[in-house]
Amino acid sequence: QKEVEQDPGPLSVPEGAIVSLNCTYSNSAFQYFMWYRQYSRKGPELLMYTYSSGNKEDGRFTAQVDKSSKYISLFIRDSQPSDSATYLCAIGYNQGGKLIFGQGTELSVKP
Amino acid sequence: DSGVTQTPKHLITATGQRVTLRCSPRSGDLSVYWYQQSLDQGLQFLIQYYNGEERAKGNILERFSAQQFPDLHSELNLSSLELGDSALYFCASSVGSSGGTQYFGPGTRLLVL
Repeated sequence: QKEVEQDPGPLSVPEGAIVSLNCTYSNSAFQYFMWYRQYSRKGPELLMYTYSSGNKEDGRFTAQVDKSSKYISLFIRDSQPSDSATYLCAIGYNQGGKLIFGQGTELSVKP
Repeated sequence: DSGVTQTPKHLITATGQRVTLRCSPRSGDLSVYWYQQSLDQGLQFLIQYYNGEERAKGNILERFSAQQFPDLHSELNLSSLELGDSALYFCASSVGSSGGTQYFGPGTRLLVL
């Protein structure tokens, strides 16, 4: 079993839709959670970062963590064609800097 | 722009050869991480250096090695290259040694022929 599971998609939605991206993880020792966006052939760009269970909002993006279920989500409201990219969840321990990434979900937002 | 720089952007080489990838972290960051991204394995952690010292190791092959210099830039050396080493190699940096946000560079695309 992989430490982090993420549905690779692809996911295609119309412009303006609400997008939900999800990851599950297996180890309750994980303590911090991130979402990265990666455009084709570019470096991952940090979108959201959180330690705790609950919601964290930044503009059109909301990150949700449920530690009891070992489940994290990223919601994108009013999706735009410029949001078309691969979204990667990343999870880490507090002791040590290694990040473990999901496989990434490829998102396409159609005008 | 994350502030992390990597050179070269592209590298084409032959099997059996050795290459060196270079990374400069963001100003003020002491940790440098190396990751490999391939289609089948996704983004995989290779190794971390913090202020010149090796801090953590992932599934890095023995043919691969890295170091961090006093000016905090890092180099990843890949030797006896095989076709399967073709991938994107990313460097990331963070302020501390653990628990912090990591900012990624643009990557080096390596093609082994």
